[in-house]
Amino acid sequence: GQNIDQPTEMTATEGAIVQINCTYQTSGFNGLFWYQQHAGEAPTFLSYNVLDGLEEKGRFSSFLSRSKGYSYLLLKELQMKDSASYLCAVRSRSGNTGKLIFGQGTTLQVKP
Amino acid sequence: DSGVTQTPKHLITATGQRVTLRCSPRSGDLSVYWYQQSLDQGLQFLIQYYNGEERAKGNILERFSAQQFPDLHSELNLSSLELGDSALYFCASSPGTVSYEQYFGPGTRLTVT
Repeated sequence: GQNIDQPTEMTATEGAIVQINCTYQTSGFNGLFWYQQHAGEAPTFLSYNVLDGLEEKGRFSSFLSRSKGYSYLLLKELQMKDSASYLCAVRSRSGNTGKLIFGQGTTLQVKP
Repeated sequence: DSGVTQTPKHLITATGQRVTLRCSPRSGDLSVYWYQQSLDQGLQFLIQYYNGEERAKGNILERFSAQQFPDLHSELNLSSLELGDSALYFCASSPGTVSYEQYFGPGTRLTVT
């Protein structure tokens, strides 16, 4: 089976840096995804890691360690609009499908 | 705007009823995915279709069924509705069966009373 854990809530200050962790257990691994979701809206894609290391995309970076079953999303220069839920998701290798298993999400509140 | 459309935006119905949710994928995308998001369960994968054929199934209840039509739009049918089926239902699409990114539609909010 698959299990994904991430903190339920985090708070950070505008302009600061925040790191959201995600640990996972999966039978067969074919990629880890981060999505952003504002309340009542659709999730939007942020990043994808399939190999170990850091992927940087503007203010957002994502890191993966497959041996540790661990990923983090790093948000720099926080803005008020970054207040949202951040969803970690894992894709399994079995079955050649696009099925994503999502964690419960981390609600980030950015304060002035 | 992801390019994925879903109708209706909101749906209120009674227990025991049946509803149909509709999704049109982005132009050119062959895969359609359905997800259910409730407050206590998070975002749960229901089912994937690729070019008209079922590709993967999640914990989809037997009361729920889906299909993808030749024009690639998809419908999710929910029957014998229960209060616990109240949730946001998202459709997503991607070009292939295993794609880099899934594009989510705006969702249908279903309320069962």
